Amino acid sequence: EPEVTQTPSHQVTQMGQEVILRCVPISNHLYFYWYRQILGQKVEFLVSFYNNEISEKSEIFDDQFSVERPDGSNFTLKIRSTKLEDSAMYFCASSGATQRAYGYTFGSGTRLTVV
Amino acid sequence: GNSVTQMEGPVTLSEEAFLTINCTYTATGYPSLFWYVQYPGEGLQLLLKATKADDKGSNKGFEATYRKETTSFHLEKGSVQVSDSAVYFCALNYGSSNTGKLIFGQGTTLQVKP
Repeated sequence: EPEVTQTPSHQVTQMGQEVILRCVPISNHLYFYWYRQILGQKVEFLVSFYNNEISEKSEIFDDQFSVERPDGSNFTLKIRSTKLEDSAMYFCASSGATQRAYGYTFGSGTRLTVV
Repeated sequence: GNSVTQMEGPVTLSEEAFLTINCTYTATGYPSLFWYVQYPGEGLQLLLKATKADDKGSNKGFEATYRKETTSFHLEKGSVQVSDSAVYFCALNYGSSNTGKLIFGQGTTLQVKP
């Protein structure tokens, strides 16, 4: 079964550093998403991406965050200057045109720890 | 606004017990409803879904029925196994939304003891 692949699985970074979280969505999917889950809290929507542009972003997704699809396969989330409160599990998801309304395939997540 | 509320956990059951995890939602219109499961150390996996009122989603012995009148989508399983121990998330999504983002509940941890 096709998978969404995320790397790295765990990243530790110092406060103020830039991090890039990487995702390889399912190859024929068109819609891409980032969610995050702070430890013990609910999964929160960050941003959705379609046709090479952001289609929606949440209040969390401020100027410190950016997304990019640099080639035909990768989808990245960049945090420009990390804060302690950015420590969370970050999930990438993708969906196809007909799946969008009905569910998504999630990656296994990247656990980001900011120290 | 749109939101999802789940019963608080953790829920601790013995093997073969009956499981119910309550989920209610607040939404305008007619969202699609989902249950996702997160096993320890893994990502989110779609467990089941329902896209309209009175639909019943089912998978791996789990069931949930989309109840519009009570705005609920409770998850049930007749006989749980130790391997069902995980965190369960109820979520909603608007099928006609331009982004199709998911709104999640807070998650309910299920622990099944042998």
